[in-house]
Amino acid sequence: DQQVKQNSPSLSVQEGRISILNCDYTNSMFDYFLWYKKYPAEGPTFLISISSIKDKNEDGRFTVFLNKSAKHLSLHIVPSQPGDSAVYFCAASASDNDMRFGAGTRLTVKP
Amino acid sequence: DAEITQSPRHKITETGRQVTLACHQTWNHNNMFWYRQDLGHGLRLIHYSYGVQDTNKGEVSDGYSVSRSNTEDLPLTLESAASSQTSVYFCASSPRPGEAFFGQGTRLTVV
Repeated sequence: DQQVKQNSPSLSVQEGRISILNCDYTNSMFDYFLWYKKYPAEGPTFLISISSIKDKNEDGRFTVFLNKSAKHLSLHIVPSQPGDSAVYFCAASASDNDMRFGAGTRLTVKP
Repeated sequence: DAEITQSPRHKITETGRQVTLACHQTWNHNNMFWYRQDLGHGLRLIHYSYGVQDTNKGEVSDGYSVSRSNTEDLPLTLESAASSQTSVYFCASSPRPGEAFFGQGTRLTVV
């Protein structure tokens, strides 16, 4: 039973435009949500997170939005750059820190 | 600098053999995790530990075991390797919910 879902396996955007990556979850006990970025042959690296008491968190070009009623979060990247091309994983954890991941979305930013 | 390292980076083994993958972190984090990454499934949790002598089963724990005799290490053992366990394995450590650091991964092939 996949508790965290990323329904878009891939996304392609033009350099300079906005990238929007989506994630849905089913477990209402989750209270931390994270986005990780992964390049080939490397481990995932932490990008940005949000706790369930917030609905938005911003860090430079990256913003995460959380809609608890819809059990949905999204990652916005503005402006997108070719170096952002990677696989992005959504993850969620309850306060016991047991993190669950989605299947990932491969983002391609075209010059 | 503190870090998390996995070894080996690549391993080929035969069906039925016992295999141990090493994970070592120097941050002194209590929480450590093992995930496997497979196409279409993202990162799935195998086992995790919240401290010395503590181990817990994750989503896909069958055929795997871990032990935690000190804070720095969480070795993952495949008791009798199967072809279905061919995957990329990632270890992670975490100081708190919402934050985790991953190793570079071990690519395991069972032939």
